[in-house]
Amino acid sequence: KQEVTQIPAALSVPEGENLVLNCSFTDSAIYNLQWFRQDPGKGLTSLLLIQSSQREQTSGRLNASLDKSSGRSTLYIAASQPGDSATYLCAALNQAGTALIFGKGTTLSVSS
Amino acid sequence: DTGVSQDPRHKITKRGQNVTFRCDPISEHNRLYWYRQTLGQGPEFLTYFQNEAQLEKSRLLSDRFSAERPKGSFSTLEIQRTEQGDSAMYLCASSPWTSGGSYEQYFGPGTRLTVT
Repeated sequence: KQEVTQIPAALSVPEGENLVLNCSFTDSAIYNLQWFRQDPGKGLTSLLLIQSSQREQTSGRLNASLDKSSGRSTLYIAASQPGDSATYLCAALNQAGTALIFGKGTTLSVSS
Repeated sequence: DTGVSQDPRHKITKRGQNVTFRCDPISEHNRLYWYRQTLGQGPEFLTYFQNEAQLEKSRLLSDRFSAERPKGSFSTLEIQRTEQGDSAMYLCASSPWTSGGSYEQYFGPGTRLTVT
């Protein structure tokens, strides 16, 4: 059974700092891995998707990497801003492409 | 492309009542998913449709839960005889199907259910 773990559970940083969020998964047989952002009481916004054959994806100040063999993914946020404050979730899509398995998320707070 | 929409956004009901939620996916997305999220947890998969066919159901989807997607467009999720443990955010997502595609899932705003 796939299990996804995110470390740390919470993180507080001053504005401008670069930071890394970690995600690990127990079953390397995944179709892809998605990173999402969730603001309090809201739905999920997709940030980056990495196909199982890819190593990394970049969008603006965000860079996500994937190492299937070790069951790890990281989300790198450069030059953090207060507007980045949110919960970040990673999710692995099973090989059949039918279900995302989520971690519990990392809650990020960026202070100005 | 207006995104995934869900209705209602909030629902308060008394224990034992039935409730129904609606999800409208992005047009032409033939894959539709339901998830449930409780406070402090990540979303948990409930069920998956490809067009009108319900192809996968989680063990979380007890007999009191039923989901339909009658014409392969919008979907409904019904909970019968609600219990306090059903209180959660119910999220709907859709994705397109293309051969070798990414199956990237796009989420709606969710329906917040409170059972009193």
